[in-house]
Amino acid sequence: QSVLTQPPSVSAAPGQKVTISCSGSSSNIGNNYVSWYQQLPGTAPKLLIYDNNKRPSGIPDRFSGSKSGTSATLGITGLQTGDEADYYCGTWDTSLSAWVFGGGTKLTVL
Amino acid sequence: EVQLVESGGGLVQPGGSLRLSCAASGFAFSSYWMHWVRQAPGKGLVWVSRINSDGTGTSYADSVKGRFTISRDNAKNTLYLQMNSLRAEDTAVYSCARGWGHDYWGQGTLVTVSS
Repeated sequence: QSVLTQPPSVSAAPGQKVTISCSGSSSNIGNNYVSWYQQLPGTAPKLLIYDNNKRPSGIPDRFSGSKSGTSATLGITGLQTGDEADYYCGTWDTSLSAWVFGGGTKLTVL
Repeated sequence: EVQLVESGGGLVQPGGSLRLSCAASGFAFSSYWMHWVRQAPGKGLVWVSRINSDGTGTSYADSVKGRFTISRDNAKNTLYLQMNSLRAEDTAVYSCARGWGHDYWGQGTLVTVSS
């Protein structure tokens, strides 16, 4: 059971928009920055979003992040078949003194 | 180009030990915190441990505390994970990741704990 809760799967058609939620508590999301990662099949995770809503160099602006209270959201617009992957949220948990990840969300582009 | 290359994985019996290495290149290794993250086959990401830039501060997941030790050699640009008293549930791909936000990841090394 992950400390951060994500939906197991989401799906949408090419060109559409999808959001992935990540729910936590005041000891993690509520008081720390959130990161989002994309893991394409058979590859290492890649950082998509850091500090809640910042994109590393090279990440297209189709990917966005936001945070409100103890929840965070990853948004992806203009969906492409190449976006099919597992997506994870992560943050520091102050009470656990540990980094925590969500359980992951599998995105299917129909 | 930032590169992180893990090594040292393999098959080990329950109760055994392994030492993983992560060779870093393409950036100022001694300036960055580093993490180990593992992923069991078909499962999600699980944080294992982190170490600060000069090696004086470490943290561990409860599941590995007292059994695993993270360390680094900044002169060799290498991160280590000493794993003792290994259990079947430690079977996973172990990856190193750079920085507080894990901005670069290695491809990982597979550790299989089985008799």
